[in-house]
Amino acid sequence: AQSVAQPEDQVNVAEGNPLTVKCTYSVSGNPYLFWYVQYPNRGLQFLLKYITGDNLVKGSYGFEAEFNKSQTSFHLKKPSALVSDSALYFCAVRDRGNNRLAFGKGNQVVVIP
Amino acid sequence: ETGVTQSPTHLIKTRGQQVTLRCSSQSGHNTVSWYQQALGQGPQFIFQYYREEENGRGNFPPRFSGLQFPNYSSELNVNALELDDSALYLCASSLGGLAGYNEQYFGPGTRLTVT
Repeated sequence: AQSVAQPEDQVNVAEGNPLTVKCTYSVSGNPYLFWYVQYPNRGLQFLLKYITGDNLVKGSYGFEAEFNKSQTSFHLKKPSALVSDSALYFCAVRDRGNNRLAFGKGNQVVVIP
Repeated sequence: ETGVTQSPTHLIKTRGQQVTLRCSSQSGHNTVSWYQQALGQGPQFIFQYYREEENGRGNFPPRFSGLQFPNYSSELNVNALELDDSALYLCASSLGGLAGYNEQYFGPGTRLTVT
């Protein structure tokens, strides 16, 4: 069964500094990988996905993520964090052999003004 | 905001009761997935419906059941509620059923409290 690990509970970063949220995954085959963001009392919003092709994926609000097959990682990055980026970020993976989407436990990002 | 809506927003039930949660998918989406998100956890996959058929299920007991209607809206039914069923229930719609590369669009969720 597929699974996701997000090793840090909380990421603190100063406004304007680079933001990285880490994610590693485990699947039996080739993965589809996703990042979602959740604001308080809201549903999840899609940020970006990796299906195939270029390992660097660009998404909404200036976010990007790099797929690394050898390290089974899909870290989320943003060159310059904004206070409005403070939210809960979830990494998710789907094995191409089934249609179950497995989420990590989430990372709380706090951007300090 | 996505075009996915869920009702009700909040619900309080007593242990042993039954509950029905509803979801309207985004226009044009034929696939609906349901998730349970406990406090401080990531969403856990309950099941998925594609063209009115269940086509995938997570590790949830049979008292969790669902329906999808011809207009692709969906219901989640939970029988014999337990205290541990207290959670945020999220509905997500997408295109394509088994084409797992399509992103899902989530509704705001229904907060269920079981006392």
